[in-house]
Amino acid sequence: DAGITQSPRYKITETGRQVTLMCHQTWSHSYMFWYRQDLGHGLRLIYYSAAADITDKGEVPDGYVVSRSKTENFPLTLESATRSQTSVYFCASSTGTSFGTQYFGPGTRLTVL
Amino acid sequence: AQTVTQSQPEMSVQEAETVTLSCTYDTSESDYYLFWYKQPPSRQMILVIRQEAYKQQNATENRFSVNFQKAAKSFSLKISDSQLGDAAMYFCAYRVVYNQGGKLIFGQGTELSVKP
Repeated sequence: DAGITQSPRYKITETGRQVTLMCHQTWSHSYMFWYRQDLGHGLRLIYYSAAADITDKGEVPDGYVVSRSKTENFPLTLESATRSQTSVYFCASSTGTSFGTQYFGPGTRLTVL
Repeated sequence: AQTVTQSQPEMSVQEAETVTLSCTYDTSESDYYLFWYKQPPSRQMILVIRQEAYKQQNATENRFSVNFQKAAKSFSLKISDSQLGDAAMYFCAYRVVYNQGGKLIFGQGTELSVKP
């Protein structure tokens, strides 16, 4: 009963490098989300997905790319990492309606040097 | 646009006592959901309690209960018989229903400390 997992848990990278954060859920939830958590801003939505092959932008999508070829996976890619993308990243999933509760993964702490 | 405000950056409570965390929100929608999440030092976001806006009855989960005042757009969390394990950051969140996949909008958080 893994639920929702994220990998890696910690990542240090350099400016300009490409980084992919992985998210995997075992509940077959339709909806998946990526948030970032920064001091003073709480959690903000980066991208979300309503189903496989359906993704859309959230509040802060610039510099990020997502894909969802399978229902259970929702990777987040930073195409060219910048220092401003240093943050804690959370993946979440919920059932197939907008009324479902969102359940969060353990988070990935990303540091861009 | 919806906003969520937590006016108490920090709160402190004595073990076994009761504490109330405040949350207000702003929305023009009539259908929505409200949540309280707990984030301990492990960073995991843990669902504490949820409230459906169409329900008048306040939600309760063991020692956790809410005071939902829809007209006042207020959603406070009461923790009874506080325990050391309750120490954490608490986030109030509003779930958008008809936009952006039902994203959550979070408040800034309240850091709760529990004194033995």
